[in-house]
Amino acid sequence: QVQLVQSGAELKRPGASVKVSCKASGYTFATFGISWVRQAPGQGLEWMGWTSTSNGDTNYAQNLQGRVTMTTDTSTTTAYMELRSLRSDDTAVYYCARARDGYNGGIWDYWGQGTLVTVSS
Amino acid sequence: QAVLTQPASLSASPGASASLTCTLRSGVNVDFYRVYWYQQKPGSPPQYLLRYKSDSDNQQGSGVPSRFSGSKDASANAGILLISGLQSEDEADYYCLIWHSGAWVFGGGTKLTVL
Repeated sequence: QVQLVQSGAELKRPGASVKVSCKASGYTFATFGISWVRQAPGQGLEWMGWTSTSNGDTNYAQNLQGRVTMTTDTSTTTAYMELRSLRSDDTAVYYCARARDGYNGGIWDYWGQGTLVTVSS
Repeated sequence: QAVLTQPASLSASPGASASLTCTLRSGVNVDFYRVYWYQQKPGSPPQYLLRYKSDSDNQQGSGVPSRFSGSKDASANAGILLISGLQSEDEADYYCLIWHSGAWVFGGGTKLTVL
């Protein structure tokens, strides 16, 4: 069965970086891209970006450009999202999701369990 | 003004129908967009429900009951998620989503209470 398993919770200081992993299994990894979505405590969903798992193409949300990098490792079927220069308002649960139809397809049919990133001094 | 606006909350009775709206900002014409809908229950990731652009361009998520359906109200410039035969398990947050200006945009979400 398709599974996306994310890395564990992180506590970071302001200004630090965090790298969240998303291990995929149960399907051919390079067939579907990965989108990342975050959710601040008690708030709504925010799309962060998308990465291809076949050629490394990426598409990032404009407000995160320059601070976020999304990568994949096909040898381990793992996607990564790195966010730098962390601020308190980056505190959120970060989700990865399988993007069924490419960067401009909004069907994200399988999701990771979420990774809580807390930014606090 | 946000691109997508959803009412913060909605209440409905079991067995009734609920119509959740997602209003697009003036100048962003709903006719041109595929509107996606996601359901999120507390402590869980979102789940894809369906996509609707028109009666000939729509897609139901795998395993999503047919009592969840999509439509549009062109006069209100809104996408609509209709849930019929409400059940207690439908109590959740619902988010709409569109692809706009090269990025994915979520609505703020509607908390549906079934009571």
